Amino acid sequence: QQKVQQSPESLIVPEGAMTSLNCTFSDSASQYFAWYRQHSGKAPKALMSIFSNGEKEEGRFTIHLNKASLHFSLHIRDSQPSDSALYLCAVAASNTNKVVFGTGTRLQVLP
Amino acid sequence: EAAVTQSPRSKVAVTGGKVTLSCHQTNNHDYMYWYRQDTGHGLRLIHYSYVADSTEKGDIPDGYKASRPSQENFSLILELASLSQTAVYFCASSDAGAGQIYEQYFGPGTRLTVL
Repeated sequence: QQKVQQSPESLIVPEGAMTSLNCTFSDSASQYFAWYRQHSGKAPKALMSIFSNGEKEEGRFTIHLNKASLHFSLHIRDSQPSDSALYLCAVAASNTNKVVFGTGTRLQVLP
Repeated sequence: EAAVTQSPRSKVAVTGGKVTLSCHQTNNHDYMYWYRQDTGHGLRLIHYSYVADSTEKGDIPDGYKASRPSQENFSLILELASLSQTAVYFCASSDAGAGQIYEQYFGPGTRLTVL
């Protein structure tokens, strides 16, 4: 069964800092790699996803995938207090329609 | 944007009682899912469905049943609620279209407390 792990569990950064979140997975056949963001008391919402090795940038957010290392990451440039939330990584294998989520990284951005 | 609603938004149940959580989506999505969220466990899949009148077991199905009477509606049933089922429950839907099947659209969640 797919195992998805995130690090760190929590992170506190000052406003304007670069933030890096990490996710490792166990199934090398995985093909969907995504980050979801969940503000306190709210529903998770997809932030961005990638399907093949490399990088993808959307605004201040960049996702980087290295399938050989079974690792992908989310980088937030110029972190803002509004970025404070629980970040969940998500992975799906090619032979299933199920998405497996990590346990989350709680990010706090201090003004 | 996708619209998924859940009812009730919160519920207190007694141990051994029956609980039904309801989910309704207006996205015309084929796939629907039930997850539970506990501190330290992220989101774990309980049951899911590809089509009306059919459900599949997820990763933690024990103690739960699911029902999909129509494309729009998906229910989660706890026949005999237990203390360990205290959690926040999220319903989600996804599109069957190529490249879209994995992106989950979540409802607002139901906070269930079993006493």
